[in-house]
Formats: sequence, structure tokens, C-alpha cells
Amino acid sequence: SQQGEEDPQALSIQEGENATMNCSYKTSINNLQWYRQNSGRGLVHLILIRSNEREKHSGRLRVTLDTSKKSSSLLITASRAADTASYFCATANAGNMLTFGGGTRLMVKP
Amino acid sequence: EPEVTQTPSHQVTQMGQEVILRCVPISNHLYFYWYRQILGQKVEFLVSFYNNEISEKSEIFDDQFSVERPDGSNFTLKIRSTKLEDSAMYFCASSEAQVHGYTFGSGTRLTVV
Repeated sequence: SQQGEEDPQALSIQEGENATMNCSYKTSINNLQWYRQNSGRGLVHLILIRSNEREKHSGRLRVTLDTSKKSSSLLITASRAADTASYFCATANAGNMLTFGGGTRLMVKP
Repeated sequence: EPEVTQTPSHQVTQMGQEVILRCVPISNHLYFYWYRQILGQKVEFLVSFYNNEISEKSEIFDDQFSVERPDGSNFTLKIRSTKLEDSAMYFCASSEAQVHGYTFGSGTRLTVV
């Protein structure tokens, strides 16, 4: 299956620091998406990067994709306490069916 | 900002009972999905729906599951005879194009007792 697996599973940083989360997957993909989930809530789409793209930015978010290594990273710069959440990568096939990883739990301490 | 609305937020049902989970996707979206998340586990794909038919489904989505778009706004997931292992958070999502991020609803927590 096209599994996304995040690393680390948990990350604790101070406000103002950068947070980097990594994702690896196994098979070819159409695109890769990152989502955020606050405890007990729905998933919020953050960013989509297509298989022919290498880097994408959205505000304080920077996503990279290396299809040769089957990996992606999400960088959150200048983190805030409000960024505390779980972050998931999800690989998409041609039909946009998503396969989610286990997530990274990010805690940003004020 | 447009939202995907799911009802109910919590549902408790007895094993063997039928449940219907309801969703109102974003009005101009064309692709609809159901996912579930068992407590402590990954979010899992169940089914995708486009142009009034199922476009893709997972192994989880067996004969006990069905989806319907009975009118222009609602999108429902029915589980005919619930099992204990169906207990999970069920998320509905929609997207406006095939290659596009999803908008997820807040989920329905289903507890089968």
C-alpha cells in the first residue's frame, strides 16, 4: 500500500522554534497532502504537493517532496502555541484516494 | 468559510443495529468521501463517490456498508448491521476537483455496544 509514515511520532519545541516533520511512503503517488488535526476534531487540509513538484510554500509552511527517496517534509517556521496539534501526511493515488500515516504529535510550549 | 457538516456528532448503537451517518458536503464540491479513524489508529479510507456512483472503495467497505446521495445536498453512510469493531470516528469529506485537498467534517463518533 502507499503508506505514509511520519517521523518523529512526537515533537516538543519552544514557541518561535521551527518544527520539521518527515514522511516516507512506499509506492508511486499522484500527490501528497499534509493535514492537521486538533485533538478530537476533524482534519484540516494544509497543503498539497503534486508528484512533479519539489517544494511548495504556504505562509509559515514549507513542504518538500523527493519522489526518488519517496519522502516529504513539512517545516513550520516560527512556531506558535496554537500550532500544537497532530500533523498527518497522506499520499494520493490518481483517484485522489488518500492513505494516511500515523501522524506526528507536535507540542509547542509557550 | 464553507464547511462540511456531519450529524450526529455522537451515536451510540447496539450491535446488530443499523446506523445512518449524515453529511452535508460543500455545495460546489463534486467528490465525496468517507474515512474512519479507530481510536489510536490511522485514518482509513472507506469510499469515494462521484457523479452519483462509487468511484473507489476499500476492503473495509464490505456489503454491510452503503452510501447514498439522496438529494442535492446530503451524503449518507449506512452500516446495516453494526459490529463492535465498527466503533470509530467517521469523517465525511468533499473536494471540488479530483486533484485537490479535502475539506473534512468534524466527524461522527460511533460507539457500538
